This record gives sequence, C-alpha cells and structure tokens, in this order.
Amino acid sequence: GAVVSQHPSWVICKSGTSVKIECRSLDFQATTMFWYRQFPKQSLMLMATSNEGSKATYEQGVEKDKFLINHASLTLSTLTVTSAHPEDSSFYICSAKRTEAFFGQGTRLTVV
Amino acid sequence: GENVEQHPSTLSVQEGDSAVIKCTYSDSASNYFPWYKQELGKRPQLIIDIRSNVGEKKDQRIAVTLNKTAKHFSLHITETQPEDSAVYFCAATRSFGTDSWGKFQFGAGTQVVVTP
Repeated sequence: GAVVSQHPSWVICKSGTSVKIECRSLDFQATTMFWYRQFPKQSLMLMATSNEGSKATYEQGVEKDKFLINHASLTLSTLTVTSAHPEDSSFYICSAKRTEAFFGQGTRLTVV
Repeated sequence: GENVEQHPSTLSVQEGDSAVIKCTYSDSASNYFPWYKQELGKRPQLIIDIRSNVGEKKDQRIAVTLNKTAKHFSLHITETQPEDSAVYFCAATRSFGTDSWGKFQFGAGTQVVVTP
C-alpha cells in the first residue's frame, strides 16, 4: 500500500518554542492531506485540511495562528506548533488520501 | 457536520469468543465507513471498510454490517485472539471524488481486551 511518512516520531521541546512536523507521501502525490490530534486515551480529532498551493482549512476551535500548516508540494505538508505550551502535548497524525486514507506513523509532542 | 458515536468504550472477551462494536452516524451523505485498529503509540491501521451500496462485508474473522436507513454500522470479530487486543475506531466520510473524501469523523474508540 501507499506510504505516508511523518517526521519526527517524537519530540520534546521547551514551552514557548516552535516545533515543525513533516508529513510526506512517499510514493504518490497528495493534493490534500489532513492533520489530526489525539490526546491520551481519546479519539483522533481533525484539526485541519491541508491543500497543496492554497491555505489550509481549519476545524472549528483550532487556532490557525498557533498551528501553521504549509503544503508547498504535492508530497509534503508541514504542521508548525508555534509558542508551544504543555497543553499542546499530544499525538499528531497526518493522513493523505487516494482510494483509501493512509496515515503517517504519528508524532508524539511533549512540551515541558 | 458529521457526528459518529461508538459503543462500547471498553470490551473484554475471552479468547475464541466474538466481539461486536457498534457505531452510529448523523450525516446521511456519508457513504464510506472504515474501521481502524490502533495499537498504543502506533498509527491507525485500516482493517475493513464498507461503502453504502453494500450491506455487509467479510474478511476472514472480521465482518462489517451497515444499515444505511438506521445510520448505523457494526464491526464483528469472531474467534478472537490475544493479538486482536487494541483500540478500534469507526469512522465516516463522504464518497471518493468529493471534497470531503478522506476527511474522517472518528468514533470515540473501543478498547478491546482479549484474555487467554
């Protein structure tokens, strides 16, 4: 099946700093990718839709200035968590779609 | 928007028994319903899916049924094994080719524990 790769797999950062997470579709072009957030023992919650060459679409309640999304190419979307705080600590997962959705392996973000 | 509800939140079964997880959805335009298995710290893995033009689909020990009129779908796992222990999520989305394709609303998840 198609492969979606996320980097890094885990990251620890200090409160107030920014963290960038990359999501790559390795063997297909993805004009649209999705970013989800998953808190411990909870479900995946859609944060935003990343569109190649245009602005991302954010779900209600998600701060677009805090979670910056860039989809500059057909194989790469990035999520930058700006001025991270401990409450931003979570598991972030991207997905890209073809005839089915393929998920990245996720990024465990811990803000200390 | 779509709202997906999933029950139960936890399910303990003896090895060899069957497990059933149920989901309901609200958006009548949704017509693709995947089920994902997620192990701790890992990505969700698609285990089976069903489209609204089909009422039932089976793949070895796993089956999914869909009642589009009632807007509910269920996952059935037969002859459960310890390696089936994981969190299972249902999801719903609109069909391939629409802007909403792949934009999932997930259920809350079901922690399945299979005891030997």
